[in-house]
Amino acid sequence: DSGVTQTPKHLITATGQRVTLRCSPRSGDLSVYWYQQSLDQGLQFLIQYYNGEERAKGNILERFSAQQFPDLHSELNLSSLELGDSALYFCASSVGQGETYNEQFFGPGTRLTVL
Amino acid sequence: GEDVEQSLFLSVREGDSSVINCTYTDSSSTYLYWYKQEPGAGLQLLTYIFSNMDMKQDQRLTVLLNKKDKHLSLRIADTQTGDSAIYFCAEILYDYKLSFGAGTTVTVRA
Repeated sequence: DSGVTQTPKHLITATGQRVTLRCSPRSGDLSVYWYQQSLDQGLQFLIQYYNGEERAKGNILERFSAQQFPDLHSELNLSSLELGDSALYFCASSVGQGETYNEQFFGPGTRLTVL
Repeated sequence: GEDVEQSLFLSVREGDSSVINCTYTDSSSTYLYWYKQEPGAGLQLLTYIFSNMDMKQDQRLTVLLNKKDKHLSLRIADTQTGDSAIYFCAEILYDYKLSFGAGTTVTVRA
C-alpha cells in the first residue's frame, strides 16, 4: 500500500459525459501527479500540482482539467468523453516538486471505460 | 527519437537472470528509474540510479548505466514467479517530468 488513494476504482460511462476522478496523496506529500495509461499510448504524464499550484503540464487534452485543493487532495475532470479516453488513470504523490530525486508513490488507479 | 524505448516482452525460466534493457532520450537526465507494475496495481519504484554512477546493486537487482549510449539496464538475479510483472524504465526530463518507456512484460516460467 503506497498511501495514495484513488476513487473510484472503476468507472463506466458513455461518450459525451463528464467524470471526476479523485486522489488523496500520502500524508505530508505536497505534489500530486496525474498519468494516463492506455494500450496505444503507454504511460503518459498529464499534469502536476504542487501545494495547490499547477507545476508542470504534459500531454493533457483541453477537455481535461485538474485542481489541487487546500487539503492537498486532487481531482481530475474529464469532459466530453470519447471512446479513446478509456484508460487507467493513475495519481502519484511526492514530497517535493520534482527537481531532485523525488520518489513518486503511485495510487492503484481508476479504470475508466467509455462506451 | 523522443521516446524512452524498451523491448516489450521477456520470458525467463525461474531461477535464471532477467535483463531488461532501455534506451532513454535526455543525456542531461539526472536520475533514471525502474518501476514495477503488478497486475491490477499501480507502479512501484524498484530502484533508481543517479547519472554520475555506472552501476548500482540492491539485493537481487543490478542497474547498469551507459551514459554515452544512453542505455540503462536492469538485471534481476534468481528470477522468481513473483517477479512476473511489467517493468518501466523512466527518466526525469529537463522540466522535471517523468517520461516512461512502454514497459517490458516479464513472464517467469517454471
